[in-house]
Amino acid sequence: DAKTTQPPSMDCAEGRAANLPCNHSTISGNEYVYWYRQIHSQGPQYIIHGLKNNETNEMASLIITEDRKSSTLILPHATLRDTAVYYCIVRVLYSGNTPLVFGKGTRLSVIA
Amino acid sequence: EAGVAQSPRYKIIEKRQSVAFWCNPISGHATLYWYQQILGQGPKLLIQFQNNGVVDDSQLPKDRFSAERLKGVDSTLKIQPAKLEDSAVYLCASSPIGGQVRLANYGYTFGSGTRLTVV
Repeated sequence: DAKTTQPPSMDCAEGRAANLPCNHSTISGNEYVYWYRQIHSQGPQYIIHGLKNNETNEMASLIITEDRKSSTLILPHATLRDTAVYYCIVRVLYSGNTPLVFGKGTRLSVIA
Repeated sequence: EAGVAQSPRYKIIEKRQSVAFWCNPISGHATLYWYQQILGQGPKLLIQFQNNGVVDDSQLPKDRFSAERLKGVDSTLKIQPAKLEDSAVYLCASSPIGGQVRLANYGYTFGSGTRLTVV
């Protein structure tokens, strides 16, 4: 079963920042937080991952609370193409063949 | 590098018929996964292969579903006979053993899936 809790849906105005929350209160010390998104009719796509420090890449930023029990994915300037389902997943840093376990995710709708 | 290839893209069958899906993983990826995604839900793991051996098939409904990866490369997932509740998107993913640390996602890559409709 998924070890994360996310709101089922969110709306965001185009050009504004989209902040997607995730609760993972039972996360273990050796588990990372991963974010994937799934655009309609495509497979899930990796966005970003982190352990305890904030992370940023060309797609998004990841803010993890100090106690690591929750995190927020930030899309700084959302566009219509960011409309997708976003999945927050906790798992041990890749060490061979550990499958991803998905919850229901958050459906983000970016509105013009 | 080429991505994970899946075919067909769409399939419509009547209940009690059989159907097969094909997956060609990224070259060199030893681990292959099949997921089932029912509308409105996240993907659920059905079976995991490492090379041509099964690592985990605990979620596979073995009375009607079967999968094989004979030469450790391509894989086929079959349903026989299909039920209405099998309507879903079937996703294939692959990853290298041990990951590739230089890749941000450690090489775990999904195909675009096959959308099955059972009527």
